[in-house]
Amino acid sequence: GENVEQHPSTLSVQEGDSAVIKCTYSDSASNYFPWYKQELGKRPQLIIDIRSNVGEKKDQRIAVTLNKTAKHFSLHITETQPEDSAVYFCAASKTYNTDKLIFGTGTRLQVFP
Amino acid sequence: KAGVTQTPRYLIKTRGQQVTLSCSPISGHRSVSWYQQTPGQGLQFLFEYFSETQRNKGNFPGRFSGRQFSNSRSEMNVSTLELGDSALYLCASSLGRTGQTAPSYNEQFFGPGTRLTVL
Repeated sequence: GENVEQHPSTLSVQEGDSAVIKCTYSDSASNYFPWYKQELGKRPQLIIDIRSNVGEKKDQRIAVTLNKTAKHFSLHITETQPEDSAVYFCAASKTYNTDKLIFGTGTRLQVFP
Repeated sequence: KAGVTQTPRYLIKTRGQQVTLSCSPISGHRSVSWYQQTPGQGLQFLFEYFSETQRNKGNFPGRFSGRQFSNSRSEMNVSTLELGDSALYLCASSLGRTGQTAPSYNEQFFGPGTRLTVL
């Protein structure tokens, strides 16, 4: 079946440190992997995504890597800031005639000043 | 361009009642998906609509239903409410580019959600 595992469930870092969140997907037909950030009481917002034909993508302090063979993808945040504190969700989708997203269980990131 | 909107934002119902939630997508977006968010189960896919047709459905009982109108606005209905239906219901819209033989990579934008409490 379709499943996305996400680790860790909570992550505490000092401001300026890096944070890494890892996800593993089960359906090898998945080809699109977005990451969403959800602040308390707010809607999930897309922060970065990666397609299956790309191994790595970077946007300023955020990067995502994808290992299709291992069915594994990760979010890397460098030089963390207190405003990075939120819950982060990874997701996977097959995208052929569907927008259906299978979400991981979320990682609560806390960045301490 | 206005974002995805959902109404109402908060709703309190009692067991056995039914409820209808509404989602207005971003202008020009043709696809609307619905998700249930709970602390225990996270974000779970309910169903998606494209051009007034249900394109995909998640593993929820038949008490959960939805529809999409010609202007792409969507509604979801939950009948015979149970305590376990208490959740944040999120809708997301996308351009809805379709691909039968090639991936479509539609970026989805979420609405603020409707917080449903069943007493």
